[in-house]
This record gives sequence, structure tokens and C-alpha cells, in this order.
Amino acid sequence: GDSVTQMEGPVTLSEEAFLTINCTYTATGYPSLFWYVQYPGEGLQLLLKATKADDKGSNKGFEATYRKETTSFHLEKGSVQVSDSAVYFCALGYGNKLVFGAGTILRVKS
Amino acid sequence: DVKVTQSSRYLVKRTGEKVFLECVQDMDHENMFWYRQDPGLGLRLIYFSYDVKMKEKGDIPEGYSVSREKKERFSLILESASTNQTSMYLCASSLGGIGYNEQFFGPGTRLTVL
Repeated sequence: GDSVTQMEGPVTLSEEAFLTINCTYTATGYPSLFWYVQYPGEGLQLLLKATKADDKGSNKGFEATYRKETTSFHLEKGSVQVSDSAVYFCALGYGNKLVFGAGTILRVKS
Repeated sequence: DVKVTQSSRYLVKRTGEKVFLECVQDMDHENMFWYRQDPGLGLRLIYFSYDVKMKEKGDIPEGYSVSREKKERFSLILESASTNQTSMYLCASSLGGIGYNEQFFGPGTRLTVL
């Protein structure tokens, strides 16, 4: 079935380090891909999305490119801040469904 | 500013109690969802609703029911709470096209069943 696999966390980085959180997916058809972020004590909020192959989603310095050939949607940021500490969820959407990955905890130390 | 609100942030109940979790959205969205969030498992869909009085089972509906009498309100009901239903419950809403449109989430209700 359709599924999303994310790299396990927690990921711990120092401020200004480069961030990559890997996400791969299995899907029939051509899903939309999303990254959601959950800050401590809050619900999830959309960070970025891409709806077709080779699309790049970007927001708040984060980027992810929809790679159909590798079925991936890795999240990257060039320089993380302490305020980026959160849980990041990769998700795929198609039809009437949104499928989430397990989430990756990111901790950024000053 | 769009908003999804949930009736409680924290709730403690006893095994066997009937539990109601309420969710309200002010965006006139057709779709509403209930998820549970557990460490290492991500979000799992319990039920969703695409219109008033309409509901569809998600991936883990056992032990839960839902009610949507008004467009803005979606309730999750645990008929007889059990300890394995201790979890974080998240409500969300979206416009049509579930797989393509952004879902807006409430802050969550952390339910503990003793």
C-alpha cells in the first residue's frame, strides 16, 4: 500500500548547521507531497508542498524537491536555528487520503 | 486567521467512561478529520467527514465513533475508554480534495485513560 518512510530521529544539530531529513515514499499513481511541522505544544502546520515531479516546495528557508525517479522528497535547510526545533512529518496525498510518516524530531542547540 | 479549536488540551478519564472530544473550525471547510498521534507511529486517521452527517472510517476506527451535526463541529466519541486509547488526539479540517489541499490542525488533546 501507499506509505511514507522518514529517517529516524532525533536529529541533533548545532545552530547554523545544514539540515537534511530524508523522506521516501511508495505510492500508486502520482501523489502530492507535503512537509508538516509540529512545534512544541502545538498542532501540525503545513511547511511546504509539491504537486508534481521536479516541483520544488520552499518556505522559511526550507526546501524539498519532488523526485519521482528516486521516490523521494528530502527536506533541507542551509542554516538551522534553535527556533527550528520541532517534529517534522513527511506526507503523501492522493484522492481522499493523506498518509503521514512517523515524524522526525529535530533538536537544534545554540 | 484560520482556526481549529479543540475543547480540552488535557483530559484524564477512567477505564469504561464515555469520552467526548470536540473540535470546531471557523473556515467553512467541508472536510474534518480525527487523528491519533503516538511516538514512532506518526499520525493515524481514525475517522473523517466530508459533509454534515457524513463520515468515513479511517485506518483505526475500532473503539471510536464520530458525530457531525453542524459543518463547523466534529466530535470524537470513545464509547468505553480503555488504557490503550491513551494518546494525543488531533483534529484537522480542509477544503475539498483531501489529498491535495492543506489540512489545518488544532493544538491537540492529550488523553490519559487510567
